[in-house]
Amino acid sequence: KAGVTQTPRYLIKTRGQQVTLSCSPISGHRSVSWYQQTPGQGLQFLFEYFSETQRNKGNFPGRFSGRQFSNSRSEMNVSTLELGDSALYLCASSDPGQRNTEAFFGQGTRLTVV
Amino acid sequence: GQQVMQIPQYQHVQEGEDFTTYCNSSTTLSNIQWYKQRPGGHPVFLIQLVKSGEVKKQKRLTFQFGEAKKNSSLHITATQTTDVGTYFCAVNYGGSQGNLIFGKGTKLSVKP
Repeated sequence: KAGVTQTPRYLIKTRGQQVTLSCSPISGHRSVSWYQQTPGQGLQFLFEYFSETQRNKGNFPGRFSGRQFSNSRSEMNVSTLELGDSALYLCASSDPGQRNTEAFFGQGTRLTVV
Repeated sequence: GQQVMQIPQYQHVQEGEDFTTYCNSSTTLSNIQWYKQRPGGHPVFLIQLVKSGEVKKQKRLTFQFGEAKKNSSLHITATQTTDVGTYFCAVNYGGSQGNLIFGKGTKLSVKP
């Protein structure tokens, strides 16, 4: 079974630009969550999607948005990039039907804003 | 909102020494998970604890969930260089399995 796939792995953007990151979950997993990881703030929850609906949202500005498609693939978008948005963005998928609710993380997208 | 405090932030040990990281919450938790992230890698699930006072072992790793379900610990016996990485505890927030609140993590370095 293929793991969680995130593309691209690395990205360099300029302040003010926007960026779209992609995540393909493990086959059969309908829950996809996004996290931002920085040295200062650690791992912070961005949002969770389940069956194409946003189920939860973390404490991030509206510049951060996401969506999920019918095949469970998810994208997140960050508009008007700021230097502070430089981070590792991690996607995780899980199967809510399983008793063990572990999250399977992708390798992440390393975003650098210059 | 829900927070989970994790200490210590860093731990440097000599190979063969033991290591422990602790997580504490001000509220009762339904469960707690532990993850390991190797340098340059992504978090990998280690275990989930659900029951009050639960103790689980994975080879040299021992996980405990407090009686009040407000704290948890991960203990590694006789550390090896392969144990290097950051260990995170995480809790589900709001009952949603996909919404994990992570502790700040404990970064473990092991000197051979």
